Formats: sequence, C-alpha cells, structure tokens
Amino acid sequence: DAGVTQSPTHLIKTRGQQVTLRCSPKSGHDTVSWYQQALGQGPQFIFQYYEEEERQRGNFPDRFSGHQFPNYSSELNVNALLLGDSALYLCASSLDIKNYGYTFGSGTRLTVV
Amino acid sequence: QQQVKQSPQSLIVQKGGISIINCAYENTAFDYFPWYQQFPGKGPALLIAIRPDVSEKKEGRFTISFNKSAKQFSLHIMDSQPGDSATYFCAASSKGAQKLVFGQGTRLTINP
Repeated sequence: DAGVTQSPTHLIKTRGQQVTLRCSPKSGHDTVSWYQQALGQGPQFIFQYYEEEERQRGNFPDRFSGHQFPNYSSELNVNALLLGDSALYLCASSLDIKNYGYTFGSGTRLTVV
Repeated sequence: QQQVKQSPQSLIVQKGGISIINCAYENTAFDYFPWYQQFPGKGPALLIAIRPDVSEKKEGRFTISFNKSAKQFSLHIMDSQPGDSATYFCAASSKGAQKLVFGQGTRLTINP
C-alpha cells in the first residue's frame, strides 16, 4: 500500500520563476494538505484541499496556489519565486472523517538561486 | 495564540537513558496533540498522539504526559536507543482548524 508520493524530490529554480510540485495521497485518503518546512524549523501550514476546493489557508501570500484533481492528487504552484521560498515542501493526506490521521510524504526540496 | 513552543532545541542522551521533550501551547481550542519523528530526508512520521481527556498515553517505549491546566505536554522516550536519533516535533490541532500547528523541533542524539 503506497503512502504519500511527492514529485520531484529535488528542484532548483531561479528567482522569479514559477514551480509546480505534485502529490499523490495515500490510498483511501481524500484530503490533501501542504506544508512548508524551512531548514531547522517545524512545518508551516500552507493550505488544505478537499473535494477539489481549498478548505483552509495558512498565512502565505497569493503567490502560493494549489489544485486538487478528481483522483484526489494535488499540485502546489508557487509564482515569482523568492530566495526565501527555499524549503522542504511536504504534502500530507488524510481521510476527511478522520481528519487527524495525517500521513506525510518525504517532501520536495526546493532551492531558489 | 496559535503557537506551540517546544524545548529543548537539541538533546543528547546516553543509550538506555530517558529522553524528555516538552511543549507548551496557548490555544485552549486545541484538542489533539501528536508527536512526530523525522529522519533526515524524510517527512514527519506520526509517533504517538493524545487528546486532552487523558493525562497520559503509553505506546511501547514512548509516553505522552499531558497537563491540561498548565497547557503543557511532553514526550518521554524510555530506554533510548541510537536508532531514536532524529528530530522530534510536537504539534497541536483543533477540530475546526483542519491544520497542524508544529513546534520548532528537538534534535535528539542518542550516544551509544
């Protein structure tokens, strides 16, 4: 049973560019959340998707956007990249009725140069 | 009010010893308190979690102690092993919030 799958694992982008990160949730899960983890810090909530809608958003600018597809997979898009966007981006999935049972992927390490 | 404060930042324990990590919160709406373990290059993995209606939960060598009046909770790792060396995060969530609020993390090193 596959867990949460994220791609790519590593990515290097130039300041000002745009990036798309992808996530496939754990089998049976229908809710996807995205977190940003800066080096040496705890993960910070970006937003959560359920039924293809953004259900809640953390304190991140509009440059961060997302999408959830009918098969529950999700994308995180970041526009106009800044050096400060360099971080590990984590996807977590859960089953909505058991919202506390989050499973995290291994993340995408984004480096902005 | 959304913060979860975690201490210490780093901790070194001898093999076989007890590792203790502490967290404090302000938001009384929090009703779920998990601990996550993260190895380098991996995402956080759920270790153990507690709800505020109990004061202690034990799973194997891992125990959460919860003090609702003090708004504090802690992770105890008994008989600590080198394989326990990792970064540990406490977190909190409330039913209506749909998100986890994480502490800053504790880097635990178990010396053989």
